Amino acid sequence: AQKITQTQPGMFVQEKEAVTLDCTYDTSDQSYGLFWYKQPSSGEMIFLIYQGSYDEQNATEGRYSLNFQKARKSANLVISASQLGDSAMYFCAMRENQNSGYALNFGKGTSLLVTP
Amino acid sequence: GAGVSQSPSNKVTEKGKDVELRCDPISGHTALYWYRQSLGQGLEFLIYFQGNSAPDKSGLPSDRFSAERTGGSVSTLTIQRTQQEDSAVYLCASSFAGSSGNTIYFGEGSWLTVV
Repeated sequence: AQKITQTQPGMFVQEKEAVTLDCTYDTSDQSYGLFWYKQPSSGEMIFLIYQGSYDEQNATEGRYSLNFQKARKSANLVISASQLGDSAMYFCAMRENQNSGYALNFGKGTSLLVTP
Repeated sequence: GAGVSQSPSNKVTEKGKDVELRCDPISGHTALYWYRQSLGQGLEFLIYFQGNSAPDKSGLPSDRFSAERTGGSVSTLTIQRTQQEDSAVYLCASSFAGSSGNTIYFGEGSWLTVV
């Protein structure tokens, strides 16, 4: 069964606008971590933001924020004031006890294109 | 360096040859992971090391794949008798001891092309 679901294969956003990338997850663990990574065309996986399952506040890191709705098992990434350099693949991922060494389970990703 | 270091960054090899990919994790990180990403796909977990303990090889796709980690630090992923379907980016990652709250950091990957 798919543990991480990203339903948007591709998204467009205009420069300076905000965009929300969707992510839902499935776990029976009480303690888990949710992560977003950015992968530009160079291929490197860049860590963006983390949300712990027990965190009551939504995580924020600069222009990135995570809209965490635990009951709905969703962890959407919000990018404010989009920039051309934000064009990349974005992956939602989860660390949970069920995975070997808490290895990350990844979604299939969302390709974001920021237009001028 | 401060980040996860991988080499080579690019490798083109002939079908049937063996290849070795190297990973140097962030200093102090005891957990090390290998992932594979085929063109346009998400990341597939391959193997996990914790310190000097025996690795969890549950994600390795076939017995042509093996990995070792010397001294709880540098790791080598070996693919024997490479096939065209092995063409992918191989990403190494590390973190402090495995837990749900520790961030996993990735290297820039080794791009493998089997011709």
